[in-house]
Order: sequence, then structure tokens, then C-alpha cells
Amino acid sequence: QVQLVQSGTEVKKPGASVKVSCQASGYTFNSYYMHWVRQAPGQGLEWVGIISPTGDSTSYAQKLQGRITMTRDTSTSTDYVELSSLRSEDTAVYYCARAGDSGFTALDYWGQGTLVTVSS
Amino acid sequence: EIVMTQSPAALSVSPGERVTLSCRASQSVSSNLAWYQQKPGQAPRLLIYDASTRATDIPARFSGSGSGTEFTLTISSLQSEDFAVYYCQQYNNWWTFGQGTKVEIK
Repeated sequence: QVQLVQSGTEVKKPGASVKVSCQASGYTFNSYYMHWVRQAPGQGLEWVGIISPTGDSTSYAQKLQGRITMTRDTSTSTDYVELSSLRSEDTAVYYCARAGDSGFTALDYWGQGTLVTVSS
Repeated sequence: EIVMTQSPAALSVSPGERVTLSCRASQSVSSNLAWYQQKPGQAPRLLIYDASTRATDIPARFSGSGSGTEFTLTISSLQSEDFAVYYCQQYNNWWTFGQGTKVEIK
């Protein structure tokens, strides 16, 4: 069965960086796009970015451009999202979510979420 | 950016009632729309994709309709496990979510 397992809770100070991982299993990893979605406490879902099946193409939410990097390690079936220059408004649960082979599909499997807290 | 607007923001419903949730797009998204259910402390779960296709293992009481800019999620007879927040998402032009509709117990 398809599983996306994310890394654990992170607590960071403003200005620091954080890197969250998402390890996939149960499907052909390099055939599917992966999205990242975040959810601030008590708020709705916000699209963060997408990485292509081979990892050679990414697109990011405009508000995060310049601070966000998504990478993929196909040898371990793991995706990563790194956010730098952290601010308090980056405090959120970050989810990875699988899309289809075009990227422009619904998100059918989700990771359990990783809480990132930014606080001095 | 395509803005997705859901209504109502919240509603109180009794078990067994029929529920209709709405989602409006600021421009046409064709049928490239999904609905998700999220319970407290859990990740979202895909219910409907391509506006009207139920995802795997989703009960038949959930149905989706619409195209273009107007979409509806209907729960024909609300069960206790259906109390949750529901989000729509368009994937026609980049990806954006609605702000959610909370379905509460009356």
C-alpha cells in the first residue's frame, strides 16, 4: 500500500532553516509528482510547491520564492523541502502529498504531517 | 491566482440529514476540482476528483458535481464520522484551496 512517512517535529528560531523529509513506499516513486502543502494553526490549507517525478523540475508558491527548495532522492524514494530565513508566520504543519503523472491532478495520498514551529 | 471561495464557512447538521457544500472559482477551472475531508489532528483525505469521481473506498453517500466555476459536494445522509472540515482545490491553473467549510453536529 502507498505510504508517505514524514520526519518529526521541528522547533527553530527566526532566521534559521528547516528541512523536512517525506519517504515514499508502495508505488513507483519516480513516476509521480509530489506536492507540499502547509497548514498554519487553526487555518486552512496552503499550497507550497511541487517537484517532478525525476526531481529535475520544481515550482513554488510565489510568496515563498527565494526561501524554499525542494529536492528528491530517487535512490531512497525520499522528497525534501527546505525553508530558509524562517519567520513566525512559517509556523505550520507541512504535508507532502502525491499527485499523478502530470502534476495537475488531485492529491491522492498524504503524509502524516510535520509540525514546524518558529519561535524565539 | 485563481481564488476558491467556499460557502458556508460552517454549518450545524443533524445525523441523517442531507448536506450541500459549495465552492466557487474566480475563473473557470473546467472539471479540475477535488474535494478533501480533514478531521482534527489528521491529514486531509481525498474524497472527489475531477469534480465528480469518487476516490478509492469513498462511500457512495458522497457525490460531487459542477464544472467551470460552480461546484457542489453533497453528502446524502450525514453519518457521525462525517463531521469534519471540507476543502475544495483546483488544479487547472497552478493549485489553490478554498478556505474550508466546517460541518458540525447540531
